Amino acid sequence: KNEVEQSPQNLTAQEGEFITINCSYSVGISALHWLQQHPGGGIVSLFMLSSGKKKHGRLIATINIQEKHSSLHITASHPRDSAVYICAVLYNTDKLIFGTGTRLQVFP
Amino acid sequence: ETGVTQSPTHLIKTRGQQVTLRCSSQSGHNTVSWYQQALGQGPQFIFQYYREEENGRGNFPPRFSGLQFPNYSSELNVNALELDDSALYLCASSPAAGYEQYFGPGTRLTVT
Repeated sequence: KNEVEQSPQNLTAQEGEFITINCSYSVGISALHWLQQHPGGGIVSLFMLSSGKKKHGRLIATINIQEKHSSLHITASHPRDSAVYICAVLYNTDKLIFGTGTRLQVFP
Repeated sequence: ETGVTQSPTHLIKTRGQQVTLRCSSQSGHNTVSWYQQALGQGPQFIFQYYREEENGRGNFPPRFSGLQFPNYSSELNVNALELDDSALYLCASSPAAGYEQYFGPGTRLTVT
């Protein structure tokens, strides 16, 4: 069993839909990252959070430390949101453990 | 403010050779982490350097080694390359260990 599990693995949506990606983890963590990776490889950090909720534009991330669960929400999705979204947990202060990612495709 | 940069972008090597990958940290960042991402997989932690000292290591053999320089730029060295070393190698810098990490564009290594 992976230490970081994401669901779903693949997601397709129509433009404008509300999207939720889930992340569950089994280790004690100090923080959790949500990352975005486009074809070609570059990774962009969307959020780092250790409690509660963060919002940036149309993106919202929440975390429940007791339940070891986090969600990434995208409101009013757009084709440019198409990418792989990766959840990564910070174990101690040095090691990021990554999920395998959720591939999102948003169609016009 | 310059972001994290990596060089080269792509590299092709032969099994058994050695390779050096380079990473320039974001200004003001003293911590750099290296990751290996095989095709279709999530990245795997290789090691982290903080102020020129190794600060943590993942499950990679000793032929994966690193350096961090006084200007906080970093190198990843891989000796005796194997076919399975073919992957995207990512570095990420942060203001200190435990802070948000900012990723470079990666170096795609192909071993034939």
